[in-house]
Amino acid sequence: AQSVTQLGSHVSVSEGALVLLRCNYSSSVPPYLFWYVQYPNQGLQLLLKYTTGATLVKGINGFEAEFKKSETSFHLTKPSAHMSDAAEYFCAVREIQGAQKLVFGQGTRLTINP
Amino acid sequence: NAGVTQTPKFRVLKTGQSMTLLCAQDMNHEYMYWYRQDPGMGLRLIHYSVGEGTTAKGEVPDGYNVSRLKKQNFLLGLESAAPSQTSVYFCASSPSLGYTFGSGTRLTVV
Repeated sequence: AQSVTQLGSHVSVSEGALVLLRCNYSSSVPPYLFWYVQYPNQGLQLLLKYTTGATLVKGINGFEAEFKKSETSFHLTKPSAHMSDAAEYFCAVREIQGAQKLVFGQGTRLTINP
Repeated sequence: NAGVTQTPKFRVLKTGQSMTLLCAQDMNHEYMYWYRQDPGMGLRLIHYSVGEGTTAKGEVPDGYNVSRLKKQNFLLGLESAAPSQTSVYFCASSPSLGYTFGSGTRLTVV
């Protein structure tokens, strides 16, 4: 069964600092990988996804993530944090075939300090 | 506007009451899903459907039932609500590589 582990339920960075949110997955075959963002009292918005091809994926709002098969990781980064980045972030893995179910990590709440 | 619509957005139930959450999508997607979101636990799959007339259990199906009589609608039912079902419920639909999520239903069971 697939599973996702997000290291750190809360991450706090200063405005302008590097954002690094960690995600490791467990899967018998390379899956599709996703990062979603959820702003307070809102639904989930897709930040970026990896399916095939280039392992460095660029998303919206200046975020990017790198798929590292050898480390079974898909960490999310942004070079310079902005106050508007404060939100909860979810890493998810999806089976390539079958019912295409998404399995989510427990989430990381990102706080930006002025 | 194309998307996934969930109704209602908020609801308070008493223990033992029943209710149905409606999810409607107008994108002709085959796959639909119901998730619940609880603090510190991410989103967990309750039930899903791979097409009209089909349903299957997800990770946490107990206490819930679903129906997909029409392709565009996916209903989630609680027959006898319990406080443990207090949560935020999200519906999603998928054609292949992308999920579209609804805005959620916040349910409180007292």
